Amino acid sequence: GIQVEQSPPDLILQEGANSTLRCNFSDSVNNLQWFHQNPWGQLINLFYIPSGTKQNGRLSATTVATERYSLLYISSSQTTDSGVYFCAVERRGSYIPTFGRGTSLIVHP
Amino acid sequence: KAGVTQTPRYLIKTRGQQVTLSCSPISGHRSVSWYQQTPGQGLQFLFEYFSETQRNKGNFPGRFSGRQFSNSRSEMNVSTLELGDSALYLCASRWDRTEAFFGQGTRLTVV
Repeated sequence: GIQVEQSPPDLILQEGANSTLRCNFSDSVNNLQWFHQNPWGQLINLFYIPSGTKQNGRLSATTVATERYSLLYISSSQTTDSGVYFCAVERRGSYIPTFGRGTSLIVHP
Repeated sequence: KAGVTQTPRYLIKTRGQQVTLSCSPISGHRSVSWYQQTPGQGLQFLFEYFSETQRNKGNFPGRFSGRQFSNSRSEMNVSTLELGDSALYLCASRWDRTEAFFGQGTRLTVV
């Protein structure tokens, strides 16, 4: 199956700092989504981004499908950004989502 | 519109028992997928139902089963529970092969 690697595995920031999270995948994909898992376990949709660039407030994401990676940018981080960020991809023709292991982000006040 | 609803939120069961979890998708969504999340294995795909038919299946033993009703609501059943089945079970809803939206999950503890 497709391999999904997220980096870094852990990230600790001071409030106000910027960060970049990366998701590498090993095969061509139909779909790619970024999620934020809150402390209660729910996965919150951030971006549905099989290719291109999108922005939503302080967050933006870019997927370069031809080079098999996606980046999630968080600017001016806040304590409420803390949690685990997951990338999920569906290999072309498969439609079965595969999740990375996530990036655990802690933002200190 | 209402999001994905999973019930119950928390559950404690004894080894050997069986359990049924429920997921109500977003109105109009026809696909429901189930995932198991554990600290050791991460998020793993269990199965997907689309229009009452199982469309995809992950690598889990036959003790894990599911079904989907005509109103797209789905249930997942785990029989003969093992300690290792303790996990957060997440359900995702989508219209077809599009953006997925997750419920709040059911946290199952097997003792």
